[in-house]
Amino acid sequence: EDQVTQSPEALRLQEGESSSLNCSYTVSGLRGLFWYRQDPGKGPEFLFTLYSAGEEKEKERLKATLTKKESFLHITAPKPEDSATYLCAVQAEWGKLSFGAGTTVTVRA
Amino acid sequence: NAGVTQTPKFRVLKTGQSMTLLCAQDMNHEYMYWYRQDPGMGLRLIHYSVGEGTTAKGEVPDGYNVSRLKKQNFLLGLESAAPSQTSVYFCASTQDRVGYNEQFFGPGTRLTVL
Repeated sequence: EDQVTQSPEALRLQEGESSSLNCSYTVSGLRGLFWYRQDPGKGPEFLFTLYSAGEEKEKERLKATLTKKESFLHITAPKPEDSATYLCAVQAEWGKLSFGAGTTVTVRA
Repeated sequence: NAGVTQTPKFRVLKTGQSMTLLCAQDMNHEYMYWYRQDPGMGLRLIHYSVGEGTTAKGEVPDGYNVSRLKKQNFLLGLESAAPSQTSVYFCASTQDRVGYNEQFFGPGTRLTVL
């Protein structure tokens, strides 16, 4: 059974204080690891897809990396608008995702 | 493009009542999904569809039924609601092309069963 574990559950940051979120996974045959952002009361919004170990992708202050067992989402110099829950998901079977419980990030001005 | 829309946004049911949640997408996507999201548990797949007229069970299908009569619509039904079905329900859709299968999510339906 595919397992996705995200840590920490919650992260409180000061504006400008860089940090990283972790997503560790157990899956038989990874066909993609996805990062989503979810704002309160809204649906998840796609950020990145990573397919192979060593791959990195960036978007503004966010950078996602992938190894064979885990992925990191690095937030560089965060701003209050980066406050959200960040979800990680893995795809072992085409078209089906298994999600982690998420990390809720709060950035204080 | 409206993307993925869900109806209704909120609903309160009594135990034993039935209801249908409607999901619509205007992106001509083949795959559609229903998830539920509960605190501390992440998104769990209820049912999904790989095309018009097809449905399949996900991780937590018990107590739910689905139908995909038209490609753009995916309906989730609760025949006899239970308090354990209190949750936020999300619909999603995606293309089925390999290497381009990001899922697009709707805004969610918050369901409370008393």
